[in-house]
Amino acid sequence: GESVGLHLPTLSVQEGDNSIINCAYSNSASDYFIWYKQESGKGPQFIIDIRSNMDKRQGQRVTVLLNKTVKHLSLQIAATQPGDSAVYFCAENSNDYKLSFGAGTTVTVRA
Amino acid sequence: NAGVMQNPRHLVRRRGQEARLRCSPMKGHSHVYWYRQLPEEGLKFMVYLQKENIIDESGMPKERFSAEFPKEGPSILRIQQVVRGDSAAYFCASSPIRESEAFFGQGTRLTVV
Repeated sequence: GESVGLHLPTLSVQEGDNSIINCAYSNSASDYFIWYKQESGKGPQFIIDIRSNMDKRQGQRVTVLLNKTVKHLSLQIAATQPGDSAVYFCAENSNDYKLSFGAGTTVTVRA
Repeated sequence: NAGVMQNPRHLVRRRGQEARLRCSPMKGHSHVYWYRQLPEEGLKFMVYLQKENIIDESGMPKERFSAEFPKEGPSILRIQQVVRGDSAAYFCASSPIRESEAFFGQGTRLTVV
């Protein structure tokens, strides 16, 4: 079966530094991946996505990297801000609609 | 355009009672998905519905759980005879078409006492 997971459950980062959150997946047939941010008491919020025909995609202050060879996904956040403190999930979209989420990485930004 | 609306935000039920969770998708969205999140875990897919049809309920427990998305009105996730293990956050998401990005609601936090 498919499995999506994150390497580290927590990440503490100094405000202004860059953050890197990693994710591993096991289903080599996966072709669409999404990063979500979830703040306390709220629902997941879409950050950025990437399809398997790409290895990098950039958004505003965020970059997602996909390494299909080792089935690894990462989210980079530039100049981390206090508002970036949240739990970050990678998710794999299978069957065009079903999202499989990893366990999440809690990011804490230190002032 | 309001986002996905879920209510109630918090629901407390005694063991054996019924829980009804409601989800109104974004305007123009006819695809609804329900997910369950246990504390400190990721979300787990439960069911995918399109207006009046259940497309995929592979993540739903076979007993006590049911979902519907009627032609008019919100989608309902119904849990009968709740047990302590049903305590979780239940999230609804909607999308305009099957393959597009899904937007999540704020969730309903169910506590069974």
